[in-house]
Amino acid sequence: RKEVEQDPGPFNVPEGATVAFNCTYSNSASQSFFWYRQDCRKEPKLLMSVYSSGNEDGRFTAQLNRASQYISLLIRDSKLSDSATYLCVLTTDSWGKFQFGAGTQVVVTP
Amino acid sequence: SQTIHQWPATLVQPVGSPLSLECTVEGTSNPNLYWYRQAAGRGLQLLFYSVGIGQISSEVPQNLSASRPQDRQFILSSKKLLLSDSGFYLCAWTASGNYNEQFFGPGTRLTVL
Repeated sequence: RKEVEQDPGPFNVPEGATVAFNCTYSNSASQSFFWYRQDCRKEPKLLMSVYSSGNEDGRFTAQLNRASQYISLLIRDSKLSDSATYLCVLTTDSWGKFQFGAGTQVVVTP
Repeated sequence: SQTIHQWPATLVQPVGSPLSLECTVEGTSNPNLYWYRQAAGRGLQLLFYSVGIGQISSEVPQNLSASRPQDRQFILSSKKLLLSDSGFYLCAWTASGNYNEQFFGPGTRLTVL
């Protein structure tokens, strides 16, 4: 089983709609959780951290479910510029080793 | 502010040729440094990480090596490239002791023919 698993998509989303997707992880000792965004042929960039109580950043909402070992990302009122691959990322030890999922592709259509 | 540089941006090399990719970080001291490879349609694979000058840890045994000759310089090398070495190579850093965000360089797209 992969340590971090994501539905690769693509999720085809009409502009203005809501899209949500999950990421499951296998290591129950995982410490910190993040969503990164990667545009085509570019480097990943931090979208948001994921906190235990869930958190929002504008149109983006992230949730963490430690009992079921998954995190989720919800995008409201999707914009064309939200088209990207969203990477689930977590850390599992104290020195800063980051585990990356393969990403979920989101395509927002006019 | 901190910046991270990688070069070259793209590279086409024949099988069996050597490789040297360079990464430098500006605006911070004693960063943790990382080399990743991303194959087409795949996730990021951690290749090497370093917590200080001369300290290199390898995650995946292969024909690549890394060196950190200076605090903010990280080099990825190979003596003989394989076809399977093709991919998108990303250098990244985090602040020592602070693992809230990893910052990536623009990457090097390597094609081995």
